[in-house]
Amino acid sequence: AQSVTQPDIHITVSEGASLELRCNYSYGATPYLFWYVQSPGQGLQLLLKYFSGDTLVQGIKGFEAEFKRSQSSFNLRKPSVHWSDAAEYFCAVGTQGGSEKLVFGKGTKLTVNP
Amino acid sequence: SQTIHQWPATLVQPVGSPLSLECTVEGTSNPNLYWYRQAAGRGLQLLFYSVGIGQISSEVPQNLSASRPQDRQFILSSKKLLLSDSGFYLCAWSVNREQYFGPGTRLTVT
Repeated sequence: AQSVTQPDIHITVSEGASLELRCNYSYGATPYLFWYVQSPGQGLQLLLKYFSGDTLVQGIKGFEAEFKRSQSSFNLRKPSVHWSDAAEYFCAVGTQGGSEKLVFGKGTKLTVNP
Repeated sequence: SQTIHQWPATLVQPVGSPLSLECTVEGTSNPNLYWYRQAAGRGLQLLFYSVGIGQISSEVPQNLSASRPQDRQFILSSKKLLLSDSGFYLCAWSVNREQYFGPGTRLTVT
């Protein structure tokens, strides 16, 4: 069965610093991978996705992620964090088949210090 | 463009009372639809999904049920709420494997 691990429950960075959020997945076939962001009390917003092709994908809000098959990882990065990036971030892996179900990690909460 | 609505935004219900949460999608046809529950520190748990009218798949045994009476309408129900049903409920729809989420309903069972 598919699974996603986000090893860091909570990360704190200073505004302007770089950011990397870790995500490891378990899936037998070629995965469909996603990163979502959630502000408190809100729904989830899709940041970026990887389906195939170039392993470095660009998303909204200046985020990027790199797919590394050998490490079963899909880490999210941003070169310079803004205070508005404070939120919870979820990595997800999509399943094969018509249901298009996603399996989510437990999330990483990002705090940005001024 | 596509839009997804959920209501109510917040709900406080006593234990043993019924529940009905509604989700509607605009701007798309025959979407896959999903209900998730989010509890603090536990990520998102998929409760139900539907690939078409009247077609419901349950992911976990529980006190809840789902129905899809129309193509773009997805309803989450319970006959008798439990304290453990408290949480943040999210509806989502998908196209080309991408899921898009509604604003959510905060349910507190007292």
